[in-house]
Amino acid sequence: AQRVTQPEKLLSVFKGAPVELKCNYSYSGSPELFWYVQYSRQRLQLLLRHISRESIKGFTADLNKGETSFHLKKPFAQEEDSAMYYCALKRDSSASKIIFGSGTRLSIRP
Amino acid sequence: GAGVSQTPSNKVTEKGKYVELRCDPISGHTALYWYRQSLGQGPEFLIYFQGTGAADDSGLPNDRFFAVRPEGSVSTLKIQRTERGDSAVYLCASSLNRAPSYEQYFGPGTRLTVT
Repeated sequence: AQRVTQPEKLLSVFKGAPVELKCNYSYSGSPELFWYVQYSRQRLQLLLRHISRESIKGFTADLNKGETSFHLKKPFAQEEDSAMYYCALKRDSSASKIIFGSGTRLSIRP
Repeated sequence: GAGVSQTPSNKVTEKGKYVELRCDPISGHTALYWYRQSLGQGPEFLIYFQGTGAADDSGLPNDRFFAVRPEGSVSTLKIQRTERGDSAVYLCASSLNRAPSYEQYFGPGTRLTVT
């Protein structure tokens, strides 16, 4: 079965400190992995996807197929990064169903 | 342009009642999705429409849940004989559903509370 696991419900770091949000997945094929973000009082939005291999708002995520992980990283946290972050996967790019993890709340302390 | 909109934003109903939740997708988006997000969980897929037809309804939890999209635009999620366990935020998303972009754009959600 397809599953996305985010082991941390809450992650609190100081401004300027590095951030790593953990994500592990289980899927037998070659899925497409995503990170979604939901800022306070805003709707869920795509942050980045593994196939783009780009940095968005200073965040990067590398797909590690051997460890089936897709951790989200940022070297220097900013207060505006405080939000809920969801790791997610699709069977492939054209698949309709997104499988989401349970989310990690990132809190940046000043 | 306008994003996905959902009405109502909040709905409180009594156990056993019938409710309808509405979704207006982004204009021109042929694909529409419904998800349910229970407290402390990520969104969970319910159903996907391509045009007017339900292409994948594997996520609907039981036959109390039904969704329609009669003209290929607005969709309505219908829940019969509501139960307290149906309380959640119901999210709608839409997409162009063709290469290169299959990105799903989410609405603000409808918070359903069953008392």
